[in-house]
Amino acid sequence: AQSVTQLDSQVPVFEEAPVELRCNYSSSVSVYLFWYVQYPNQGLQLLLKYLSGSTLVKGINGFEAEFNKSQTSFHLRKPSVHISDTAEYFCAVTLWGKLTFGTGTRLTIIP
Amino acid sequence: DTGVSQDPRHKITKRGQNVTFRCDPISEHNRLYWYRQTLGQGPEFLTYFQNEAQLEKSRLLSDRFSAERPKGSFSTLEIQRTEQGDSAMYLCASSLFGNKTSTFTEAFFGQGTRLTVV
Repeated sequence: AQSVTQLDSQVPVFEEAPVELRCNYSSSVSVYLFWYVQYPNQGLQLLLKYLSGSTLVKGINGFEAEFNKSQTSFHLRKPSVHISDTAEYFCAVTLWGKLTFGTGTRLTIIP
Repeated sequence: DTGVSQDPRHKITKRGQNVTFRCDPISEHNRLYWYRQTLGQGPEFLTYFQNEAQLEKSRLLSDRFSAERPKGSFSTLEIQRTEQGDSAMYLCASSLFGNKTSTFTEAFFGQGTRLTVV
C-alpha cells in the first residue's frame, strides 16, 4: 500500500519570500505523484504531476516540484509567494488511479 | 465540457434521514471516485468505479453508504440513517485510466457537497 506524509501542517511565509512544502511517500513500486491545492469551500485543483521522465516538474501559478526517488520525496517549491497562494496544499500518490492523500499543509502568506 | 459537477453543493439534514448526492464526471472519463474530507484532513477514499463496475470500496465505509454508476456516466452516493459523524465534504473526481502513461490522466475534482447532519 502507498502512503504520504506531509511533515508540516502549517507554513507561514512572508509575501514574496520563497517556500517549500515537504512531502514524503512510501511505496514498494513506482507510483505517480501529484500536488493539489484547495481554496476554502472548494474542490481540489491540480498544481502539478509527476508521471515519468524529468524529475523536475513545473506546474501552474509558478510552482514546481522535484521527484527524488532515493529520498522518496516530492517537495513543492515556489520562489516568491503571493497573497493569493494562501490555501491548503495536498500531496498525493497513486499506483492504479486511486489517490492516497497526505493530511495537507496550510500555507499562510503574511503581508 | 465544464468539468466534474456535483449536486447539491450544500445539504443540511436531520440525524436519521437519508441523503443522496449526485456526481457528473467529465464525459470521456472512465473512472469515477468518491472521497470524504473532514475539517483539517486530507480527502479519504470511499469508493471508485471503472465504467459501471464498482471496483473497490473502502473498509471504512459502513453499510449505510452505497454508491452506484448505473450507465457508466453519472454516479450517486447515498447515505442512509445519517449520523452526526457523517458531516463532511463529499468529493467526486473522475479520470481517464489506461494501461499506458499516455492514456492516464490525473483526477479532476468537483466542487464537493458539504453535508451537515444536525
